[in-house]
Amino acid sequence: AQTVTQSQPEMSVQEAETVTLSCTYDTSESDYYLFWYKQPPSRQMILVIRQEAYKQQNATENRFSVNFQKAAKSFSLKISDSQLGDAAMYFCAYRQNYGGATNKLIFGTGTLLAVQP
Amino acid sequence: EAGVTQSPTHLIKTRGQQATLRCSPISGHTSVYWYQQALGLGLQFLLWYDEGEERNRGNFPPRFSGRQFPNYSSELNVNALELEDSALYLCASSPTWKDRDRRNQPQHFGDGTRLSIL
Repeated sequence: AQTVTQSQPEMSVQEAETVTLSCTYDTSESDYYLFWYKQPPSRQMILVIRQEAYKQQNATENRFSVNFQKAAKSFSLKISDSQLGDAAMYFCAYRQNYGGATNKLIFGTGTLLAVQP
Repeated sequence: EAGVTQSPTHLIKTRGQQATLRCSPISGHTSVYWYQQALGLGLQFLLWYDEGEERNRGNFPPRFSGRQFPNYSSELNVNALELEDSALYLCASSPTWKDRDRRNQPQHFGDGTRLSIL
């Protein structure tokens, strides 16, 4: 069974600084997707960034980038130039690529990020 | 484009009652997913519907059931409510898995329904 582990329950960063959130996963599959979702106090789960396992190039979305190490099964999120609005719970998630049998997301336990002014 | 909408925002029930939660997917999405986010248990997959069919089910008792309507909106029903059913229930949508070009688009989530059991 696939599992996702986030070992940092809480992190803190100063505004304008850079922070890295860690995520490891376990799977025997070779074709899958990895995601980072952000959940602010408003509750809505917002997609931050995604990575396709067959792509070696790390995904980037503006100030957000990932370090995807497939052999190590590691998928960390780097937030550059942190802003107050980045404060939220961040979830790492895995989804197996697709045969129609299952399309569920498997989530880690989350990392609560605080941004200090 | 309207996002995933869920209703009600908050639902308060007592033990033994039944709860019905509703979800409308993004226009053009036919897959709907339900997740439970309970305190201390994280996000757990409940159900997946696509084009009216139940495609996959998580490890939850039969008290949790649902359906998807012809317009692709969905209901989650929880019978015989127990205290541990108190949680945030999140709905997500995506294009159908049958669409090769769009099947791997990510799931987009609604704001959730907070279910409180007294």
